[in-house]
Amino acid sequence: DSGVTQTPKHLITATGQRVTLRCSPRSGDLSVYWYQQSLDQGLQFLIQYYNGEERAKGNILERFSAQQFPDLHSELNLSSLELGDSALYFCASSVEGRGGLDTQYFGPGTRLTVL
Amino acid sequence: GQQVMQIPQYQHVQEGEDFTTYCNSSTTLSNIQWYKQRPGGHPVFLIQLVKSGEVKKQKRLTFQFGEAKKNSSLHITATQTTDVGTYFCAGPGSNTGKLIFGQGTTLQVKP
Repeated sequence: DSGVTQTPKHLITATGQRVTLRCSPRSGDLSVYWYQQSLDQGLQFLIQYYNGEERAKGNILERFSAQQFPDLHSELNLSSLELGDSALYFCASSVEGRGGLDTQYFGPGTRLTVL
Repeated sequence: GQQVMQIPQYQHVQEGEDFTTYCNSSTTLSNIQWYKQRPGGHPVFLIQLVKSGEVKKQKRLTFQFGEAKKNSSLHITATQTTDVGTYFCAGPGSNTGKLIFGQGTTLQVKP
């Protein structure tokens, strides 16, 4: 158990809908990272927050947005969903916000299925 | 853009055989990290290498960082069924500091 929690574990929805994925980092970690994992794309970095502020952006679509709240939990919002958005979404956290220099601790993931 | 590539994509071995996965970056890396993801699980941090030519061991696992800090390898001696999973290398992005993952090597071990 990494100490990072994600809800829900599974999500099934229809095209065009909007969903929110939630992540709570490990106690003491200030930074949260979101990744998308699909069979053909591997683990793709989406976005990073550090202590409530956006710090780095990866291949995140305009239909996706995220935020980190004062209690440090984070939410990833996915809207106008398409079939291709079906994937595993992982949240990771680290103590500092050094991105690729930090050890990152991954949550169990949310499996999103868009029908 | 910056890429981190891993080979092979898949490897099937008999239990007891050795296994190696190779990681190559298109740019020099300040460090390289290795993660393992069990089937149905999430990536779990294994190790971080920082120095040129560094070699670290964890029981049957040996990790190397190349002299030019552009490549790395993970070698498992005498594989066991518990080694099954996908092994990812990851390095920091050149500008943003984000972690760029290789495509992973999926290891299957036949008992």
